[in-house]
Amino acid sequence: EVQLVESGGGLVRPGGSLRLSCATSGFTFTNAWMTWVRQAPGKGLEWVGRIKSKVDGGTTDYAAPVKGRFAISRDDLKSTLYLQMNSLKTEDTAKYYCTTSVTDLYSIDVWGQGTTVTVSS
Amino acid sequence: YELTQPPSVSVSPGQTASVTCSGDKLGNKYVSWYQQRPGQSPVLVIFQDDKRPSGIPERFSGSNSGHTATLTITGAQATDEADYYCQAWDTTTAVFGGGAKLTVL
Repeated sequence: EVQLVESGGGLVRPGGSLRLSCATSGFTFTNAWMTWVRQAPGKGLEWVGRIKSKVDGGTTDYAAPVKGRFAISRDDLKSTLYLQMNSLKTEDTAKYYCTTSVTDLYSIDVWGQGTTVTVSS
Repeated sequence: YELTQPPSVSVSPGQTASVTCSGDKLGNKYVSWYQQRPGQSPVLVIFQDDKRPSGIPERFSGSNSGHTATLTITGAQATDEADYYCQAWDTTTAVFGGGAKLTVL
């Protein structure tokens, strides 16, 4: 069974940093392109960014609101995905989902349960 | 790039619901659709415009042409009441629509 389990969420002050982790199992993590998606309270889904597999270059892409502040990385030996969040703003408050696709490169068919990040003074 | 969805759609049980998603030349892109029930993670219901993942009921279908993609639920059931999001790619970044709340009543 494919599983994605996020951790690392919590309360952080504006300007602070936080690192989220996503432990994965049940699929070949090394070959997977991994994506972070977030959802602010009562709001819609927002794509955060993606990291390709190392065999496909391992490059990252980010949404405009987080570019330059967030960084996605991966540890293929641990089958774990990370999201380093710096210079956090109140508008970054959201549930953060770790996601991937085992179907194609255009959609997301595997979602974690999410971890909540609250940015507040 | 923006994807526009109606905030809400209503349908009577057993009838057909259509949820639209509009974007510039959207027909040239692959569109995915996600269902999100309250308190749950989203679930993929349509990918590559009109394909259903394994386990998704046949009453869910999709189409995409011109500037509009449509998710159709034929014979809507109470369990289909949820938020529905469309998603497409703009070069190297993905975009979600604002979401449409489907009410079955």
